[in-house]
Amino acid sequence: GAGVSQSPSNKVTEKGKDVELRCDPISGHTALYWYRQSLGQGLEFLIYFQGNSAPDKSGLPSDRFSAERTGGSVSTLTIQRTQQEDSAVYLCASSAGTRGETQYFGPGTRLLVL
Amino acid sequence: AQTVTQSQPEMSVQEAETVTLSCTYDTSENNYYLFWYKQPPSRQMILVIRQEAYKQQNATENRFSVNFQKAAKSFSLKISDSQLGDTAMYFCAFISTGNQFYFGTGTSLTVIP
Repeated sequence: GAGVSQSPSNKVTEKGKDVELRCDPISGHTALYWYRQSLGQGLEFLIYFQGNSAPDKSGLPSDRFSAERTGGSVSTLTIQRTQQEDSAVYLCASSAGTRGETQYFGPGTRLLVL
Repeated sequence: AQTVTQSQPEMSVQEAETVTLSCTYDTSENNYYLFWYKQPPSRQMILVIRQEAYKQQNATENRFSVNFQKAAKSFSLKISDSQLGDTAMYFCAFISTGNQFYFGTGTSLTVIP
């Protein structure tokens, strides 16, 4: 399909383990975003990539969170030493450009930290 | 700081009726964009409608329309002829100059047959 894809769909891990979440944006989209959606909450911005520019990491909640975007396409969000409060749905979105362009969302990864 | 407020956590509407979801926001910017996104139980976020702040005309997409009041910083969504498939969480969102999205906490809409 031509949409944004994310893997895995669901992830259960033990407290203290590291996890990697993957996002495949729509081909040709230069902007990529990661969000966190906790139960009953709106979306919390985490990080934003635009082309080859340095990413905007201002939303990352702690230094246990990091993200990469290789070759301007696929992105990986890594959470080190997971905590129970990291349990949430992690959504990825991409857009064709900046500033007002519609974001297209993936189905998300539901992370549960036991 | 930018904030988006949705004051209605839950709403319901009879099928074929009209419902309005409210959204207010706070910003010091003059040019910005506002969005309504829909998130059905499948979890897939889908764009419903988009409004450019410099355009006075309210955006419309089929049964969905907005009432954009820039001075009041209000951006409500009207759904006409509600359908069962409209049942979902609806999020209002604001995009800042720095290209960060700020989302409200959502309104859960149930369409009753």
